Amino acid sequence: GAGVSQSPSNKVTEKGKDVELRCDPISGHTALYWYRQSLGQGLEFLIYFQGNSAPDKSGLPSDRFSAERTGGSVSTLTIQRTQQEDSAVYLCASSLRRPLGAGGLETQYFGPGTRLLVL
Amino acid sequence: KNEVEQSPQNLTAQEGEFITINCSYSVGISALHWLQQHPGGGIVSLFMLSSGKKKHGRLIATINIQEKHSSLHITASHPRDSAVYICAVSGGGADGLTFGKGTHLIIQP
Repeated sequence: GAGVSQSPSNKVTEKGKDVELRCDPISGHTALYWYRQSLGQGLEFLIYFQGNSAPDKSGLPSDRFSAERTGGSVSTLTIQRTQQEDSAVYLCASSLRRPLGAGGLETQYFGPGTRLLVL
Repeated sequence: KNEVEQSPQNLTAQEGEFITINCSYSVGISALHWLQQHPGGGIVSLFMLSSGKKKHGRLIATINIQEKHSSLHITASHPRDSAVYICAVSGGGADGLTFGKGTHLIIQP
């Protein structure tokens, strides 16, 4: 079946503009994660969705970053007033989250990422 | 917050050599993940383990929960194994993965 897809694959924008990054998880996966991979910081967690709710937003670096998920499927990560330090690869992953008490252990499947360059 | 340390940071070896990459973490976890990333490529999950040992082809992953340590082994290494190998942990109070900085592996023919 289809894996996790992300769009656009590349995005170049000017400092101060807003950008929207999209993630289509694997069908049926209830858990969705956003991560960021930058040269200086490596891979870091941004936000986690279980269904449409985001119980863990602890990784969002500032209030310029927001994300939503609709219909338990597609998610959008929005960065407002982009800064040069936002330049990175933004990765989405999904997993089949088991209920609490069943271990909650699952493999995360990563999308190809969106490479964002802020000029 | 969990701290994940990997070693070595860079590793160059000859084809056929036995490869070991190490990972240690600071607090209790639900699971440890080994990921692979080829240059310019996406991230692929190789293993997820919470105890013991797992094997897939030429790859073996082990974990020692008491010592908070895991190893990834590659037997009969091949140039196509050249990639960045990333250790990540889940649990320990966080929903997302916490990552190590990765090991850049080059296998020369």
